[in-house]
Amino acid sequence: SQELEQSPQSLIVQEGKNLTINCTSSKTLYGLYWYKQKYGEGLIFLMMLQKGGEEKSHEKITAKLDEKKQQSSLHITASQPSHAGIYLCGADIQGSNYQLIWGAGTKLIIKP
Amino acid sequence: NAGVMQNPRHLVRRRGQEARLRCSPVKGHSHVYWYRQLPEEGLKFMVYLQKENIIDESGMPKERFSAEFPKEGPSILRIQQVVRGDSAAYFCASSPPEVGYGYTFGSGTRLTVV
Repeated sequence: SQELEQSPQSLIVQEGKNLTINCTSSKTLYGLYWYKQKYGEGLIFLMMLQKGGEEKSHEKITAKLDEKKQQSSLHITASQPSHAGIYLCGADIQGSNYQLIWGAGTKLIIKP
Repeated sequence: NAGVMQNPRHLVRRRGQEARLRCSPVKGHSHVYWYRQLPEEGLKFMVYLQKENIIDESGMPKERFSAEFPKEGPSILRIQQVVRGDSAAYFCASSPPEVGYGYTFGSGTRLTVV
């Protein structure tokens, strides 16, 4: 099983609707990274969270790291076709600042 | 300021051949990481290098795989005698020496072994 659980595995959302993707670890997260990957392309950095309770926003995407630092959520408001892709969370759970552990990804499809 | 450059983007090799994947980090980044993404799976850490040093290769198969990051030039991930199971996307990331600045990923090299 994955050390870092992402849910849901896939998501189909009507354009304009909001959505949330979760990333849960059984261990304390020292750093949590959200990336987006389009099919056949590289990883696009979205956000990095390090402190419990931290929340960051970029355009219509908001990510939070919960107080106990074991879960992060990525929320997209008023989804657009450009948001489609695979969202990956990566976590530093050993505190060594490398060797990130990755979730399996959430595939997001936006219906027009 | 270019990001992480990986080449080639796509690489096809016959079983038994060698594959060489190149990664040029962001200018000023001295730390390089290689990850492998198998179909329908997440990324798996392979190796962490600094200039002329392998810091952690715990995620890299003991045989056929090697990595280097020379003083000059790109980091190279080398796979000898490739097998079909090596088919995957290989991503390189770089980071500066300072802690907490995150990672910049390249576009990946998609290796197909036929």
